Amino acid sequence: ETGVTQTPRHLVMGMTNKKSLKCEQHLGHNAMYWYKQSAKKPLELMFVYNFKEQTENNSVPSRFSPECPNSSHLFLHLHTLQPEDSALYLCASSQSGARVNQPQHFGDGTRLSIL
Amino acid sequence: GIQVEQSPPDLILQEGANSTLRCNFSDSVNNLQWFHQNPWGQLINLFYIPSGTKQNGRLSATTVATERYSLLYISSSQTTDSGVYFCALIYNQGGKLIFGQGTELSVKP
Repeated sequence: ETGVTQTPRHLVMGMTNKKSLKCEQHLGHNAMYWYKQSAKKPLELMFVYNFKEQTENNSVPSRFSPECPNSSHLFLHLHTLQPEDSALYLCASSQSGARVNQPQHFGDGTRLSIL
Repeated sequence: GIQVEQSPPDLILQEGANSTLRCNFSDSVNNLQWFHQNPWGQLINLFYIPSGTKQNGRLSATTVATERYSLLYISSSQTTDSGVYFCALIYNQGGKLIFGQGTELSVKP
């Protein structure tokens, strides 16, 4: 139990569907992150939120739309995805600050398959 | 940008053997984490180690920040140690994690 919960664990969707991934952290952290991992490759950062504000968008296509309603919840809304978007999507949280970089704690991920 | 290089890329061990994984990085960083990703994709925190040495059971890690490398030691390896080991650097700005390419470890019974 890492304190970061992701749902669903697995998702299969068609290219025209709309779905959302959910992440919730119970660690009292103020920063949350979305990462994408394709086929045994390193994780690639997608988005960073600090205190509910987006502070990083790593050139992610607009078919991925993040939402952070509060410091404990993070969503990734998906629409009109492509087959190459099939991957493991991991959420993380940390305590972030101007002078402090604390370790990131990861959820178990959502394995997404696009048909 | 900052570069993170891990070696070796692949490693096959007989159960009970010891191993050392290395992580080199190109710039000074605030902190460093080691992760184990199991065959089910779960990313497990092993160490948060900006400098010095830490031990946790059969695993230990050492980071020499001035020389820009970190080492992960696995002793008496078990089949459950199989998976991919990543080091990741916490970049100065905003806590952004930069991952290495990983070392894929396979421990045979």
